[in-house]
Amino acid sequence: EAQVTQNPRYLITVTGKKLTVTCSQNMNHEYMSWYRQDPGLGLRQIYYSMNVEVTDKGDVPEGYKVSRKEKRNFPLILESPSPNQTSLYFCASSPHAGQLSNQPQHFGDGTRLSIL
Amino acid sequence: AQTVTQSQPEMSVQEAETVTLSCTYDTSESDYYLFWYKQPPSRQMILVIRQEAYKQQNATENRFSVNFQKAAKSFSLKISDSQLGDAAMYFCAYRSTGGATNKLIFGTGTLLAVQP
Repeated sequence: EAQVTQNPRYLITVTGKKLTVTCSQNMNHEYMSWYRQDPGLGLRQIYYSMNVEVTDKGDVPEGYKVSRKEKRNFPLILESPSPNQTSLYFCASSPHAGQLSNQPQHFGDGTRLSIL
Repeated sequence: AQTVTQSQPEMSVQEAETVTLSCTYDTSESDYYLFWYKQPPSRQMILVIRQEAYKQQNATENRFSVNFQKAAKSFSLKISDSQLGDAAMYFCAYRSTGGATNKLIFGTGTLLAVQP
């Protein structure tokens, strides 16, 4: 089954304790992206990746890191989480990026992070 | 920069009735994609319908249809014969066809309640 898998689905942690949210897709997609969803703000892009070893900042990258060492995986890293990073996070992927892309993005099921 | 506005934070509809969710956007581009995503309580992001700006014909998917008014920059979603399972948060989203980010720009969402 074609899917984007995120783990964990829920996490409660404390300020400053490094955490990683994993994202994996089994569709051989080139493009992957992270969004955060906050009430009244919709979803906003954090980081994206055009392909392996190619990543770039989205609209709200502060406090986050990503890596793309393999095509299928795109982890989101919070080196020193803070309460303002409490949010619902989504990973998404699509076959291609830019002008080659006419396909909608596939979303993971979301990760609810609470930073105390 | 492009923006997407959903002016109705909440809507309610009776089962079997029709409801229209509004979405407006601002862009200087001539070609782009527009999407409606549904987010049920399970938090999944489910693509409902997609419209390509260069196509004048309004997209339809079963009970879901759009009214795309390019000159007015309006992209409303009509749900016919509403069902209890349609209750969800609905997000309107915009994506450029050019550039490299594949970024989806989301509105703030409309929470739809379906009354039995």
